[in-house]
Amino acid sequence: GQQLNQSPQSMFIQEGEDVSMNCTSSSIFNTWLWYKQEPGEGPVLLIALYKAGELTSNGRLTAQFGITRKDSFLNISASIPSDVGIYFCAGQDSGGSNYKLTFGKGTLLTVNP
Amino acid sequence: ETGVTQTPRHLVMGMTNKKSLKCEQHLGHNAMYWYKQSAKKPLELMFVYNFKEQTENNSVPSRFSPECPNSSHLFLHLHTLQPEDSALYLCASSQGPRAFFGQGTRLTVV
Repeated sequence: GQQLNQSPQSMFIQEGEDVSMNCTSSSIFNTWLWYKQEPGEGPVLLIALYKAGELTSNGRLTAQFGITRKDSFLNISASIPSDVGIYFCAGQDSGGSNYKLTFGKGTLLTVNP
Repeated sequence: ETGVTQTPRHLVMGMTNKKSLKCEQHLGHNAMYWYKQSAKKPLELMFVYNFKEQTENNSVPSRFSPECPNSSHLFLHLHTLQPEDSALYLCASSQGPRAFFGQGTRLTVV
């Protein structure tokens, strides 16, 4: 089946630093989504990307859909302690139905105040 | 509040028990999903329902039995589970590719 390679697996940063994480795939995706999950909660949608090359921002978060449609990155600027959580990428494939999503394993972000 | 509500939040059950997980969405979406989240693994899609019809069963063992009586409600009936079935079970709904998740049910099988 399809797989998403998400990196890094974990990050430990100081408050105020910028963060970058990415996902790559061997398959083309129609849509890339980025989610954040906090302990004891379900994933919350942060950003959705629909077109190759698209760059979208949501506050301090910026995500881009790769030109080849096989990768995406998420940047967080000026991190704060509440950014702590697991960030997941997810792709919806071009040949799929039911909007089935394939998820990466996640990036665990820890922010030291 | 994402508009998707799951109950219970936590469940401990024995291997011979029968229990059900419930999911309700208030977003008017047509599709609903069950995902399993285990430690160190990506979210695994279990079932997909579109307009109450099951359109995907991702090779899930028969001890998990989904039910979708209408587009707003989704159940997952559990019976004779194994300890390795302990995980966070997430419900989601969507109208298009953007899926919205509930808070999950933390299931422990003892």
